[in-house]
Amino acid sequence: SAVISQKPSRDICQRGTSLTIQCQVDSQVTMMFWYRQQPGQSLTLIATANQGSEATYESGFVIDKFPISRPNLTFSTLTVSNLSPEDSSIYLCSVEDRREPIGYTFGSGTRLTVV
Amino acid sequence: AQSVTQLGSHVSVSEGALVLLRCNYSSSVPPYLFWYVQYPNQGLQLLLKYTSAATLVKGINGFEAEFKKSETSFHLTKPSAHMSDAAEYFCAVSAGGYQKVTFGTGTKLQVIP
Repeated sequence: SAVISQKPSRDICQRGTSLTIQCQVDSQVTMMFWYRQQPGQSLTLIATANQGSEATYESGFVIDKFPISRPNLTFSTLTVSNLSPEDSSIYLCSVEDRREPIGYTFGSGTRLTVV
Repeated sequence: AQSVTQLGSHVSVSEGALVLLRCNYSSSVPPYLFWYVQYPNQGLQLLLKYTSAATLVKGINGFEAEFKKSETSFHLTKPSAHMSDAAEYFCAVSAGGYQKVTFGTGTKLQVIP
């Protein structure tokens, strides 16, 4: 299956600042997905990133708060902007692995704490 | 539209006992179903998946799940719990074809020695 490198693994940020999370995949993938996992809760999809086009955001998530870049088929970034304590969560990227049909692989996650 | 319901946010079993984690799904198209495990402070690991082939799916670490269309269920089982099985388990559904995955609320499994 695909191998995903997600950075940073954790960070503590001041409110009002931004954090950019990187996701690097060891193979070319069509779609990359960004999820948020709030403390004690399940995963919620933030947006889907397709190379060469604007990301598609889920209800409740907006581009100004969560800008996403997808410059090529192996890399994506998610920025969480204007941080508030409510943004403290784990953020995960995911890909659908072409080498393993109907298989979704996840990065190890970025644990963000906003103080 | 798709959704997943996991019954029981916490399940406790004795070491060596049967593990049964329940998952019911709703999907407007034939679903692809998954079970993921998340150990503390770690990412998600795929346990097993149903992709319209065999209805009984075997996964890693001795887990298996059975797809029952008539019951819209995809329950996860393991005959004998091990201490290392203590983790949070997520059931998920997708329409496939690069479509998003929708997760259930998760079930935390506690294994009692």
